[in-house]
Amino acid sequence: GIQVEQSPPDLILQEGANSTLRCNFSDSVNNLQWFHQNPWGQLINLFYIPSGTKQNGRLSATTVATERYSLLYISSSQTTDSGVYFCAAMEYGNKLVFGAGTILRVKS
Amino acid sequence: SQTIHQWPATLVQPVGSPLSLECTVEGTSNPNLYWYRQAAGRGLQLLFYSVGIGQISSEVPQNLSASRPQDRQFILSSKKLLLSDSGFYLCAWSRQGGQPQHFGDGTRLSIL
Repeated sequence: GIQVEQSPPDLILQEGANSTLRCNFSDSVNNLQWFHQNPWGQLINLFYIPSGTKQNGRLSATTVATERYSLLYISSSQTTDSGVYFCAAMEYGNKLVFGAGTILRVKS
Repeated sequence: SQTIHQWPATLVQPVGSPLSLECTVEGTSNPNLYWYRQAAGRGLQLLFYSVGIGQISSEVPQNLSASRPQDRQFILSSKKLLLSDSGFYLCAWSRQGGQPQHFGDGTRLSIL
């Protein structure tokens, strides 16, 4: 099956800094999602992005399907951005394969 | 709008006891339903998915089973829990045809 790799595994930012998280996937995918898992364990949908670029406030995402990667940009980071960010690639049968995540800690 | 409910939020069970976790979806019909497990706070693994009533696909061999007795109800069960069944269990739903998945708030299961 498909393999999903995320980098970096851990990231510490000062409040107000920008960051880029990367997701590589090993094969063609039907779709790709980015999630934020908050300290209470809730998985929040950030983006559903098979290709192209989307923006939502301080967050944006770009997927280049032909090169098998996706990027999540966080600008002007806030302490509430802390948590784990997952990307997940959708293979046949609507099945999501998750990466190991990036643990983000934003310091005030 | 659509909502997904999971319960209980937290569960502590002794080894060898049975398990039943329930997930229901409101505001849609004929959803795809999924059970995932997250161990050690990193990465989710798909356990089961269902595309319709009574249709269950298992992704990994394990001590657990799933059932879908109604269109918007998905149940995760075990007859005898093992220590290795501890973890964070999340239910998700999506529309048919490659649509995004939406997750419930999860159940933290501890086996003693």
